Amino acid sequence: SQTIHQWPATLVQPVGSPLSLECTVEGTSNPNLYWYRQAAGRGLQLLFYSVGIGQISSEVPQNLSASRPQDRQFILSSKKLLLSDSGFYLCAWVPGGSRNEQFFGPGTRLTVL
Amino acid sequence: ILNVEQSPQSLHVQEGDSTNFTCSFPSSNFYALHWYRWETAKSPEALFVMTLNGDEKKKGRISATLNTKEGYSYLYIKGSQPEDSATYLCASTHPNYGGSQGNLIFGKGTKLSVKP
Repeated sequence: SQTIHQWPATLVQPVGSPLSLECTVEGTSNPNLYWYRQAAGRGLQLLFYSVGIGQISSEVPQNLSASRPQDRQFILSSKKLLLSDSGFYLCAWVPGGSRNEQFFGPGTRLTVL
Repeated sequence: ILNVEQSPQSLHVQEGDSTNFTCSFPSSNFYALHWYRWETAKSPEALFVMTLNGDEKKKGRISATLNTKEGYSYLYIKGSQPEDSATYLCASTHPNYGGSQGNLIFGKGTKLSVKP
C-alpha cells in the first residue's frame, strides 16, 4: 500500500531563516507530487507541482522554491522566511497521469516569528 | 483566474440534524469535482470524485450531487453525528489549469460542528 510522509510536523522559525520541508511517498512510482499551503483564513492554495524528477511547476510567485531530487521525494525550501510564509503545508500525490483523488500527507504547521 | 466557492463558511448543528453545503465551480473546461473531509490534526480524506452531470454518490450518511452545466455541487449529511465535525472541502479540476492533469482548485471549505 502507498503511504506519504512529511516532516517535520511542526516548526517555529524566525523571519529571515531558511526552510526545508520534506515529503516522501512509498509504494508507488512516478507519482505527480504537490505542495499546498493553507494560510490563516484562506483555502488550500497550490504552490508547486511536479510530474517527474527535476520537473517543477510553480502556480504562484512567492518566496518559496521546490525540488524533486528523486522520484518519490519532494522538497519545499526557502532561503529567507517571511512572516507571510506561516501556515499549514500539505504534500499530496496522485498516480502519474491520473485525475483522480489526491492523497495527502499529515502536514507541517509552520510559524514564522 | 479559476475560483471555487463554498457556502456556508461554517455551520453549527445539533446531533441528528440533516445538513447540506454548496460548492460552486467554473463550469467551462470542467473535468471532475472532488469532495474532501478534513478533520483537525489529520490529513484531508477524499469522500467523492464526480465527473458526469447528474452524478450522485453516497457513502453511509453522506451523499453528493453534481450539476456541471450550472457549476455546482451539493454535499448532504443525514442525521449528523459529533464525529462528522470537520471541514468539508470541495475542489474542481480543469484540463487546462496549471498545465498538468490532476491539479485541483480548492474552495475555502465549510466547517461543520455537530453538538451532542
